Amino acid sequence: AQKVTQAQTEISVVEKEDVTLDCVYETRDTTYYLFWYKQPPSGELVFLIRRNSFDEQNEISGRYSWNFQKSTSSFNFTITASQVVDSAVYFCALSEGKGGANNLFFGTGTRLTVIP
Amino acid sequence: AAGVIQSPRHLIKEKRETATLKCYPIPRHDTVYWYQQGPGQDPQFLISFYEKMQSDKGSIPDRFSAQQFSDYHSELNMSSLELGDSALYFCASSLGQLQGANSPLHFGNGTRLTVT
Repeated sequence: AQKVTQAQTEISVVEKEDVTLDCVYETRDTTYYLFWYKQPPSGELVFLIRRNSFDEQNEISGRYSWNFQKSTSSFNFTITASQVVDSAVYFCALSEGKGGANNLFFGTGTRLTVIP
Repeated sequence: AAGVIQSPRHLIKEKRETATLKCYPIPRHDTVYWYQQGPGQDPQFLISFYEKMQSDKGSIPDRFSAQQFSDYHSELNMSSLELGDSALYFCASSLGQLQGANSPLHFGNGTRLTVT
């Protein structure tokens, strides 16, 4: 079963609009970590944010903000005043708590297109 | 800041050939991961190493093997290549035990393998 669900396959917005990318996760662990990565057309995976399961405080970084709600198992990502450079595929990912190396389970990604 | 280095960036092989992908982690990172991303797919975890020992195994085919060397670089060896092996292969590194579990994975730019 998919541990991370990104229901939005593709989203298109006009530049300067706000956009929210949804992420719903599933885990039985009490300790886990959630991530967002950006994959621009050039292909690399760029780390954006990590949250642990014990910290539900929302975070803002410039035009980016993240809303973590354990009650709904969601970790949504909002881009304010979108720009063309935000066009990319965005992946939400989950890492479950255990010692040592911790691999990521990725969602299927949301392709965001920002239209100038 | 130094990033994860992968080589080569692009590789074209024929069916049934072998390929070796290399990964040089961020200095002082002790954990290396390999991921496979098929066209239009999310990255899938293959295998990871912590302190030169295999720490976790995902959906890695038996035709593939990997190891981490004493200088922490890692190689992914792929034999009897099939058309379906065409994908973007990412290596990622992190601090495993030293910073506690689930320190962020930092990805390289990937190796694009095309099997013809």
